[in-house]
Amino acid sequence: RKEVEQDPGPFNVPEGATVAFNCTYSNSASQSFFWYRQDCRKEPKLLMSVYSSGNEDGRFTAQLNRASQYISLLIRDSKLSDSATYLCVVRGGGADGLTFGKGTHLIIQP
Amino acid sequence: DTGVSQDPRHKITKRGQNVTFRCDPISEHNRLYWYRQTLGQGPEFLTYFQNEAQLEKSRLLSDRFSAERPKGSFSTLEIQRTEQGDSAMYLCASSLVGTAYEQYFGPGTRLTVT
Repeated sequence: RKEVEQDPGPFNVPEGATVAFNCTYSNSASQSFFWYRQDCRKEPKLLMSVYSSGNEDGRFTAQLNRASQYISLLIRDSKLSDSATYLCVVRGGGADGLTFGKGTHLIIQP
Repeated sequence: DTGVSQDPRHKITKRGQNVTFRCDPISEHNRLYWYRQTLGQGPEFLTYFQNEAQLEKSRLLSDRFSAERPKGSFSTLEIQRTEQGDSAMYLCASSLVGTAYEQYFGPGTRLTVT
């Protein structure tokens, strides 16, 4: 079983729509959770940390369910510039390096 | 620009040669990480330093790989006797202990082994 699993997509979504991504992680001792965004041939950029209480940053909402070992990201009113690969990331459980999923590819269509 | 910087950005080398990459972290960050990313995959953790100390190494870090951070500032990653399978993007990230461990990445060094 992979440590962090995501649906690779691609998700083709019309501009203005709402889109949601999920990921699951296998290490129940994981302590920190993040969503990163990666554009083609660029470095990953931190989008947001994910807290147990859930958190929101503008059009982006992240939620964590520790019992189900499940993380989600919701993007509202999607923009063309949201097109990217979204990486689900966990840390901890005996390791301080980040463990990345393979990413979910999002394409926002005009 | 006060972000993470990496040098060189691209490196083409022949199989069997040694290569060295450099990473300069965000100045106040005391943790520095190295990752490797191949096409279609997420980054994979290699190793990290807190100040000068190398605290963790992944099983991916074979004995041909060595990393240093001698003064607790910049770091180097050396690959000896490169193989074609070493072709990848090598990413460096830094973070500050005690700040939720958010890591910020540099632009990467793209290595091609021919």
